[in-house]
Order: sequence, then structure tokens, then C-alpha cells
Amino acid sequence: ELKVEQNPLFLSMQEGKNYTIYCNYSTTSDRLYWYRQDPGKSLESLFVLLSNGAVKQEGRLMASLDTKARLSTLHITAAVHDLSATYFCAVDLYNTDKLIFGTGTRLQVFP
Amino acid sequence: NAGVMQNPRHLVRRRGQEARLRCSPMKGHSHVYWYRQLPEEGLKFMVYLQKENIIDESGMPKERFSAEFPKEGPSILRIQQVVRGDSAAYFCASSRPGARNEKLFFGSGTQLSVL
Repeated sequence: ELKVEQNPLFLSMQEGKNYTIYCNYSTTSDRLYWYRQDPGKSLESLFVLLSNGAVKQEGRLMASLDTKARLSTLHITAAVHDLSATYFCAVDLYNTDKLIFGTGTRLQVFP
Repeated sequence: NAGVMQNPRHLVRRRGQEARLRCSPMKGHSHVYWYRQLPEEGLKFMVYLQKENIIDESGMPKERFSAEFPKEGPSILRIQQVVRGDSAAYFCASSRPGARNEKLFFGSGTQLSVL
């Protein structure tokens, strides 16, 4: 059974600081997604990572994928309050179009 | 181009009633996925449908739950004889054929509350 684990589960950070969220998964997959969810809202797609070594950046967020280590990271640079949300990674199970989601990381950015 | 449309946004049912959740995929999309999210948890896959076909329903409970995606009209997730444990947010996502490496777009969800 594919397991997707994120850590930390909860992250409180000060504006201007940097931090990384980790996503580990337990079986082979070559597609990994990052999503953002605000309270009571739907999921907003952030990144799709398709190959080993893939790195994508959008604003203060940068995502990377290491398929050999079965690890993806979401790095936050100089956090701002607007980044407060829950972040999910999701892995495509054996390339079946079925996404297995991680537990989520709730990020709070304070002044 | 409208996104994935779900309705209703909120649905309240009493135990034993039926719940019908609707999902209209994005224009040009013929693949629909349903996910369920319990409070403070990630999304859990339920079912994957293409027009008139269920491709994978491995995440769907064997009883009381059914899904369809007819040739015309939206996809329907139907829950019969709802129980309190069915209370959750139900999200639909859609994609187009051959678009496996694209982002999966989610609807705004239906929050089901069972009294």
C-alpha cells in the first residue's frame, strides 16, 4: 500500500524566515503534485513534478523531486502571511491517475 | 472556460436520507475523479470515471455509495441511507484524455453534513 507522509504536520513561522516541508512516499511513482488549501476552500494546484531532479519555482515557493529517495520538498523563502494555508503533496499511484494525498502541513505565518 | 463545477456547495441530510452530489467537469474533460476529505485530513480517492464507465472504484465503500458519469450531464455521487460518518467534504476533479502530466483541477467541493 502506498503511503505518503508529510512533515511537519504543523508549522508556525515568522514572516521573512525560510523553511522546508518534506514529503516522503513509499513506492515508485514519477509524478508528484503539490496543492494548497485555504480553510473551507478547494485545492489550488501549485506544482507538478514529473521526473527525478525536477525543480519548479513560483514566487516564494520552490518544489523539488528526488525519485530515488522517494522524497519531495517544498521550500518557502522569506515567508509572508498570505502563504498561511495547508499544503498537501500527492503521488500518482503507479501512474494510474489515482492520487494518494499526504497528511498535509498546516502553515501559519505570523508577523 | 468555467472550472470544475460542483453543487450543491453545502448539503444537510438527516440519517437515513439520500445525498446526491453533482460534478460538471471542465469543458473538454471526460475524466472525473471523486475524493473525500474528513476534517483535518488529506483527500482520499473514491472513484475514477470516464464517460459512461467506471474505471476504478477501489476507494468507494461497497455499500450505500455509487457513482455515475452519463453520456450527457454531470457526474453524480450518490450516498444512500446516510450516516453521521458520511459527513465530509467531497471534491470532484477532472482531466482530459491524454493529459496525464497536467495539473488536476478540483471543484470547490460539497460539504455534506449528516444530522
